[in-house]
Amino acid sequence: DIQMTQSPSTLSASVGDRVTITCRASQSISGWLAWYQQKPGKAPKLLIYKASSLESGVPSRFSGSGSGTEFTLTISSLQPDDFATYYCQQYNTYPWTFGQGTKVEIK
Amino acid sequence: QVTLKESGPVLVKPTETLTLTCTVSGFSLSNARMGVSWIRQPPGKALEWLAHIFSNDEKSYSTSLKRRLTISKDTSKSQVVLTMTNMDPVDTATYYCARRRFGESTFDYWGQGTLVTVSS
Repeated sequence: DIQMTQSPSTLSASVGDRVTITCRASQSISGWLAWYQQKPGKAPKLLIYKASSLESGVPSRFSGSGSGTEFTLTISSLQPDDFATYYCQQYNTYPWTFGQGTKVEIK
Repeated sequence: QVTLKESGPVLVKPTETLTLTCTVSGFSLSNARMGVSWIRQPPGKALEWLAHIFSNDEKSYSTSLKRRLTISKDTSKSQVVLTMTNMDPVDTATYYCARRRFGESTFDYWGQGTLVTVSS
């Protein structure tokens, strides 16, 4: 199975900060990576697919980049609604796998 | 409007078999290149993908749970069913069903999730 490792596990930031989360795959997944946002008690929400494509309706302050084994999710200017946990998911190979999550907290 | 809704028991005993149903609306389970997955999340932990079924009935399973899982669908009822045998307390989790995005194995619509507790 492909292992997905996110860093950091927790991130403390302030409103307006630029935030970057990294996701590394244990082997190349080309660009088959998605990012999700999850708030407590809610289902995850798809933000980014194919590493850098923004899902419809997602604010443009979210962006994704990377290919192969290293990927990043960037929030250009953190908003109060963005405090949540973020997960990456690879879908290059079965079984599809998620990272362990990155919690973005208020500083 | 696309919706998915999970249903099933909230409490199961160790060694029992869990059966969960995902009822979908706003799309058909016969749509090519789509399908529905089951994904779970133990309390305070990460998401774990369990199984997927495509419109052509092709199925795929988690490597570690493959022996315990069966996924099936009833297109006429718009339902996807997951069974998991030999339940254990470590299987306590919120179980989600989610729709595979058209042509992409990402999940664009999710159910609200159902918390299943395994305890005697």
